[in-house]
Amino acid sequence: ELKVEQNPLFLSMQEGKNYTIYCNYSTTSDRLYWYRQDPGKSLESLFVLLSNGAVKQEGRLMASLDTKARLSTLHITAAVHDLSATYFCAAPYSGGGADGLTFGKGTHLIIQP
Amino acid sequence: DTGVSQDPRHKITKRGQNVTFRCDPISEHNRLYWYRQTLGQGPEFLTYFQNEAQLEKSRLLSDRFSAERPKGSFSTLEIQRTEQGDSAMYLCASSLAWLNEQFFGPGTRLTVL
Repeated sequence: ELKVEQNPLFLSMQEGKNYTIYCNYSTTSDRLYWYRQDPGKSLESLFVLLSNGAVKQEGRLMASLDTKARLSTLHITAAVHDLSATYFCAAPYSGGGADGLTFGKGTHLIIQP
Repeated sequence: DTGVSQDPRHKITKRGQNVTFRCDPISEHNRLYWYRQTLGQGPEFLTYFQNEAQLEKSRLLSDRFSAERPKGSFSTLEIQRTEQGDSAMYLCASSLAWLNEQFFGPGTRLTVL
């Protein structure tokens, strides 16, 4: 059974600082997804990482995937208050690409002025 | 708006009653997924359809739960004999086949009294 673990689960940081959220998964997977969720809202797709070594960047967020280490990272550069949200990583339920997703518990990120 | 829609957005019911939720996916997406999310947790996969075929069900989908997608377009999720433990946000998502980037609807929040 696939397990997805995120670290840390809670993070409070100041604007302008850099930080990294880690996502480990327990079985082989060829892809990894990152989502954002604002309080009371649904999930917004951020990144789809499709292969080992994949790196994607959007604004102050950069995501990477190491399938050999079963590790993905979400790096935040020069954080701003608008990035405060809960961030989830997810991998396909049974390792393949055609499945429902298994999500981590999420990282609740608070960015203070 | 061409995103995923769900109806109703909120449902309050008494224990033992049956409830049905509807999901309309993005029109060109042939895959449709149902998830459940409780407070402070990541979404949990319930089931998914490719066109009208239900291809996978998680062990979370007890006998009281049934999902259909009769014509490969909208889907319904029915919960029979609701229990207080069924209280959660029920999320629907859809995707194109190969990429599996899932786009989520706003969710239906179920409260069982």
